[in-house]
Amino acid sequence: QSALTQPPSASGSPGQSATISCTGTSSDVGGYKYVSWYQQHPGKAPKFIIYEVNKRPSGVPDRFSGSKSGNTAFLTVSGLQAEDEADYYCSSYSGSNNPVIFGGGTKLTVL
Amino acid sequence: QVQLVQSGAEVKRPGASVKVSCKASGNTFANYDINWVRQATGQGLEWMGGMNFNSGNTVHAQKFQGRVTMTRDTSRSTAYMELSSLTSEDAAVYYCARVMDKWPSFDYWGQGTLVTVSS
Repeated sequence: QSALTQPPSASGSPGQSATISCTGTSSDVGGYKYVSWYQQHPGKAPKFIIYEVNKRPSGVPDRFSGSKSGNTAFLTVSGLQAEDEADYYCSSYSGSNNPVIFGGGTKLTVL
Repeated sequence: QVQLVQSGAEVKRPGASVKVSCKASGNTFANYDINWVRQATGQGLEWMGGMNFNSGNTVHAQKFQGRVTMTRDTSRSTAYMELSSLTSEDAAVYYCARVMDKWPSFDYWGQGTLVTVSS
């Protein structure tokens, strides 16, 4: 099963917004409400920032938001800050046979 | 505060096996699923499989069929992942992660265990 498709890079200026896409199929992203997003700084473990498409775990700033349209999910980071510069990964439920699939990751640069 | 603490870095020969542990502190794994995700250097995240800590039932990615074994020691609140027949392509950082309610919501992660495969 192929990974979800993310752009390799995204960027934005401090205070602006950046949006990262995550494209799958009707068998994963499009078929379920179970899409998560993770932030990963170099040398660190991933951090859980969005679940079930658009829900934020406790402690995650509301600058991070998620949405979905068809087979594509989106992560938007508003009011960009220097510490938002990191790799971002999407993940989707993809059925009982192979339940979890990740995207290839997007490096977000804060200009 | 939940913490997942993994075992230390490993160096293995091709063809060998590696067993990584993941211990819960601050809470137990009871009623949770523990999954394993790996990341080769400079690459993305790859889901390997998971286990329900109560029942011991497991599910794994088809890619690792026959090579991965996930177990647990409930008395030690520790989960284990063993990967056999290692090749250079298995060199990666291996993470354990707790599932919050449903896949793919991994709310707590271990610090990672670096596995090097070298002859």
